[in-house]
Amino acid sequence: SQELEQSPQSLIVQEGKNLTINCTSSKTLYGLYWYKQKYGEGLIFLMMLQKGGEEKSHEKITAKLDEKKQQSSLHITASQPSHAGIYLCGADKLAGSSNTGKLIFGQGTTLQVKP
Amino acid sequence: DGGITQSPKYLFRKEGQNVTLSCEQNLNHDAMYWYRQDPGQGLRLIYYSQIVNDFQKGDIAEGYSVSREKKESFPLTVTSAQKNPTAFYLCASSIVGFRSPYEQYFGPGTRLTVT
Repeated sequence: SQELEQSPQSLIVQEGKNLTINCTSSKTLYGLYWYKQKYGEGLIFLMMLQKGGEEKSHEKITAKLDEKKQQSSLHITASQPSHAGIYLCGADKLAGSSNTGKLIFGQGTTLQVKP
Repeated sequence: DGGITQSPKYLFRKEGQNVTLSCEQNLNHDAMYWYRQDPGQGLRLIYYSQIVNDFQKGDIAEGYSVSREKKESFPLTVTSAQKNPTAFYLCASSIVGFRSPYEQYFGPGTRLTVT
């Protein structure tokens, strides 16, 4: 079965430092999603990647999908306390060649940013 | 504003009682989903529905039931048969299509505690 593994599980950085979170799949990814979650709240959609080698940015957050479409990274530049939270990657579960709409998720990476 | 609402935010029940969690969306999305999140874990799919009056089991459907009588509503019932019901429950919705993957939008969640 398809699985998503995130690393690291948790991260503590000093404000202003850069950081990277990785998401690795056991199978080729059809669509890869990055979400952010504040503890006890819903998920906020950040970005979706679909094509091999694709890279997207939003403010100081950049997400990339490798050429083989099995690994994605989320990079935060000059981290701020507002970046703190749980980052989750999600991917479409494929049934044959069609998108089912069902997502599987990594276990999440908890980020703390120290002022 | 368009979005997804879940109520209540916190719910407490005695063991052996059924409880229904509400999820409403005004995004005009065809698909709706229920996920469960446990501490330190990613989200796991309970049930999903891609059209009114139809729904499918997800990965952990045992002990849960749903209905989809209206496009905007997808209530989840946690029955007494669910062995570990205490968790954070998240509802999501998305459009349905066959060409591209589509991101899911999440509600704020309901934290259920069963004692």
